[in-house]
This record gives sequence, C-alpha cells and structure tokens, in this order.
Amino acid sequence: KNQVEQSPQSLIILEGKNCTLQCNYTVSPFSNLRWYKQDTGRGPVSLTIMTFSENTKSNGRYTATLDADTKQSSLHITASQLSDSASYICVVSPKEIYSGGYQKVTFGIGTKLQVIP
Amino acid sequence: DGGITQSPKYLFRKEGQNVTLSCEQNLNHDAMYWYRQDPGQGLRLIYYSQIVNDFQKGDIAEGYSVSREKKESFPLTVTSAQKNPTAFYLCASSIVGLAGTMGEQYFGPGTRLTVT
Repeated sequence: KNQVEQSPQSLIILEGKNCTLQCNYTVSPFSNLRWYKQDTGRGPVSLTIMTFSENTKSNGRYTATLDADTKQSSLHITASQLSDSASYICVVSPKEIYSGGYQKVTFGIGTKLQVIP
Repeated sequence: DGGITQSPKYLFRKEGQNVTLSCEQNLNHDAMYWYRQDPGQGLRLIYYSQIVNDFQKGDIAEGYSVSREKKESFPLTVTSAQKNPTAFYLCASSIVGLAGTMGEQYFGPGTRLTVT
C-alpha cells in the first residue's frame, strides 16, 4: 500500500528562524513529489514539484530536496515569516495509470507550522 | 481572474437532507476532482472526472454523487446516505498529460459542510 508519512506533525518556531519538514514515502515506482502549502480554511497551493532525477528545487525561501534512493524528501524554510504559518502537505504520484485514467496520488497528513513573533 | 472557485464557503444542513457543493474552473483543465479533508487524515479522493459526461469513483465515493455536464463545472452532491458528512471539501482541477499523467492540481478554496 502506498503511504506518505510526514514529520513532525506540528512545529512552533520563532519568526526569522529556519526549519525543516520531512516526508517519507513508499510509493513505487515513483513519478514525482509535490509540496503544498495550505493556509487554515483554504485550499492547498503548490510550492514545488520534483521528479525522480531532481535532488533539489527552490521557490524563494522554500527549498525542497529529494533522495529517491531512500524515498525521503524535505522542505526547508529559511528566515521564516508569520505568513509561513500553515500546513505543509507532501504529495507523491506513482508512475502507473489506473484503469479509468487516474494517476492515484497519495497525500500526507501534513505538518502544521506555527511561526510566532 | 483565472482559477477554481467553490461555493458556498460554509454550509449547514440538517441530517437527512441532500446538499450540493459547487465547483467551477476557468483554467480549461480537462480533469476535475473532489476530495474530503478530515483532521488527522490526508486528503481522500471522492470522485474524479477526466472528460465531460464521464467520471469515476475514488476511494470514498459511497454516499456521494457527481455530474460533469460541462468542462468548467463539477458539482458534488452529498446525500443522506453519507454516514459522516461533516468535513472540509476540496475541489481541484488539472491538465491531463501524456499517457494520462496528472498535471499539477489546482485547488479551490474549499467548502466546510456541517451536518447536524
């Protein structure tokens, strides 16, 4: 069964500090991994997408890394801001396409980050 | 203003009533999806559609129904058969890539349904 596990479940950091969120997955064969940011009561918004051959990708203060051999990804947030307070969701897509044409993605539960002044 | 919209943002219903959640997109995406989000769980797929007049059940379709009469619209009906309908519902859309791969999913703002 494909699984995506994220850690920690929640995290509180001071404004200006850095933090790293973890994502471990068992999805195989693997197509791509996405990190989404979800503000409370809103829909998720994509931050980064990484394919099998990519090791790192940045989007402003967000840097995602991927180790496809160990099936681990991390999201590093630099110089955190109050607006970074949100849930961060790791989403993994398999290579196979199921009957009906659906590429069944697996969502992690998310890490809830709170940045305090 | 391009994107995907859901309405209403909050919805309250009495137990035993059917309720329909709206989802509209102007991104010209072929595929649309409905997810349910509950505390402590990842998003779970209810239904998806890759083309007009065709849709497929996801992992938790029981008690739900959908229609796809137009490319832009994918309404979800929560029926009285759904045992635990109170949840946050998210609609998404994406392109369909080569060999059926899913493009990036764009999510709507969500509808919070409370059934008492």
